[in-house]
Amino acid sequence: GAVVSQHPSRVICKSGTSVKIECRSLDFQATTMFWYRQFPKKSLMLMATSNEGSKATYEQGVEKDKFLINHASLTLSTLTVTSAHPEDSSFYICSAREERETCNEQFFGPGTRLTVL
Amino acid sequence: TQLLEQSPQFLSIQEGENLTVYCNSSSVFSSLQWYRQEPGEGPVLLVTVVTGGEVKKLKRLTFQFGDARKDSSLHITAAQPGDTGLYLCAGARDYKLSFGAGTTVTVRA
Repeated sequence: GAVVSQHPSRVICKSGTSVKIECRSLDFQATTMFWYRQFPKKSLMLMATSNEGSKATYEQGVEKDKFLINHASLTLSTLTVTSAHPEDSSFYICSAREERETCNEQFFGPGTRLTVL
Repeated sequence: TQLLEQSPQFLSIQEGENLTVYCNSSSVFSSLQWYRQEPGEGPVLLVTVVTGGEVKKLKRLTFQFGDARKDSSLHITAAQPGDTGLYLCAGARDYKLSFGAGTTVTVRA
């Protein structure tokens, strides 16, 4: 159980385009989803916390107009990188917290590799 | 500044040897998780420790949570090449996770 999927797994786009990444919890309901960014050989940096039916909470230094997050249902959150530039190239990973989970466990998706040319 | 300090950053050992990874912080966490991540994939949860002083065993892996819930360790006995990967500790507060920088473990056959 506790499977999280991400789509697409890899995307290459031209500078200036917008890219949407989907995160789905497949076998449980996730009241909260999280979006992370990871640079090569570095740890995960939390970008934002996404709650179903409400606005996302962004970490300090993360541009909310640049990284649009929508959590439309208990099983789906999307991250849209708007007007992407080469410096946005990174590995983006989502995680989901199960509604009844009290141990703060998060289950991670397989990640999306974004390359902006 | 990392909230959680992991050490060592890199560890390369021979198959059959033991290893220990440390995760330290000045902050108290409600729980602490250990993950393993393969290149190009998301982290996979290994264990969650909640109670100060708690020890959990997962086959050849032993996890310990410090009495004050500020630090943790991961010990692998008789390491195998399949244990190779990036090991990440993450402390939980207010449903958010703060990750350590990670320890890259390489087990040579």
